[in-house]
Amino acid sequence: QQPVQSPQAVILREGEDAVINCSSSKALYSVHWYRQKHGEAPVFLMILLKGGEQKGHEKISASFNEKKQQSSLYLTASQLSYSGTYFCGTEGGSNYKLTFGKGTLLTVNP
Amino acid sequence: DAGVIQSPRHEVTEMGQEVTLRCKPISGHDYLFWYRQTMMRGLELLIYFNNNVPIDDSGMPEDRFSAKMPNASFSTLKIQPSEPRDSAVYFCASGTRRTEAFFGQGTRLTVV
Repeated sequence: QQPVQSPQAVILREGEDAVINCSSSKALYSVHWYRQKHGEAPVFLMILLKGGEQKGHEKISASFNEKKQQSSLYLTASQLSYSGTYFCGTEGGSNYKLTFGKGTLLTVNP
Repeated sequence: DAGVIQSPRHEVTEMGQEVTLRCKPISGHDYLFWYRQTMMRGLELLIYFNNNVPIDDSGMPEDRFSAKMPNASFSTLKIQPSEPRDSAVYFCASGTRRTEAFFGQGTRLTVV
């Protein structure tokens, strides 16, 4: 089951903040966040695990509400380099079946 | 480690031809994933392996698609016969439980 992301697209000016949301209809074991620039492979940003463990880049923050099966990615003081498509990936159950949402296109303008 | 390595990077083929995409995962990773990316459908999980064994192939669109992992360092995704609607970017990724998945650079497939 594919997670659902919102919004589908967001446009910011440099320095503004944004929140990208991800939700699932199934219980989750972990949530992964990736950013993809045009013509490139997705690049890992953060993983949030059931039980509270997190791992990722220092400048990225995210939350994981296990009861609601939701996660949010917080982008603060955005920079031009933040532009790209953000994907959340989720896995649940006994195996590492990692499925992705359709992505959120983030554009940061000067 | 050089990361996940996919080949070829680009493939142009005629409709009806067989296409084979290759992937070398990161050493030590016990999971391997094949994804297809299109504008319309996003990143679709086609199939994934654990310790070289296919676990879930429910995302494979048709019998024309098949995937194998003969050993821990190599996997293939085969399309036979290929059709124009198979045109997409195909990504391979590898990982272990409780860590991130690492993506290869992808294979851009064009079927004419």
